[in-house]
Amino acid sequence: ETGVTQSPTHLIKTRGQQVTLRCSSQSGHNTVSWYQQALGQGPQFIFQYYREEENGRGNFPPRFSGLQFPNYSSELNVNALELDDSALYLCASSLKQGAPSYEQYFGPGTRLTVT
Amino acid sequence: GDSVTQMEGPVTLSEEAFLTINCTYTATGYPSLFWYVQYPGEGLQLLLKATKADDKGSNKGFEATYRKETTSFHLEKGSVQVSDSAVYFCALSSSNSNSGYALNFGKGTSLLVT
Repeated sequence: ETGVTQSPTHLIKTRGQQVTLRCSSQSGHNTVSWYQQALGQGPQFIFQYYREEENGRGNFPPRFSGLQFPNYSSELNVNALELDDSALYLCASSLKQGAPSYEQYFGPGTRLTVT
Repeated sequence: GDSVTQMEGPVTLSEEAFLTINCTYTATGYPSLFWYVQYPGEGLQLLLKATKADDKGSNKGFEATYRKETTSFHLEKGSVQVSDSAVYFCALSSSNSNSGYALNFGKGTSLLVT
């Protein structure tokens, strides 16, 4: 069983640029969530996708957007990068949507640095 | 809104010492509770979970009991090892019309075992 994978591992961008991060969910999982983890902090929920539709969103501006594909992989896009966007971006996949007890499995993350 | 509060770290212990990391929560409804662990340079790994009051989650010698009356989910281990050095996150998951079934994390507690 393949776990959650993310690419790239590290990324350096300049303020104002756009970035796309990618995530492949664990085999059989149909829900993907994205989190932002600033240095020394807990992960903050960005949004969640279930069967290619946005299923929920945290307190992030519209320049954070996403997609989920038919194979349940996902992308996180961030436009007009700001210095505060520098963080570890974590993708998590889960088996089913519809109960708060379902477990989310995390990828290793993408470290984004904005200069 | 829902929130999780963890004890501040870092926590430094000697090998074979007893570990407690406190976690309390605020939530409407009946959340599920989780402990995740993050080793340096890695993503989060699910350590244990509990889905209803009085449930005890356990894994790799770690335990936590879902206490509804005190809204707590403290993590414990009887004898820590150097390999347990990591950051530990308490989290809750509850349904919300705006955020689906998002995980709401505490700030994390760093543990160093020497």
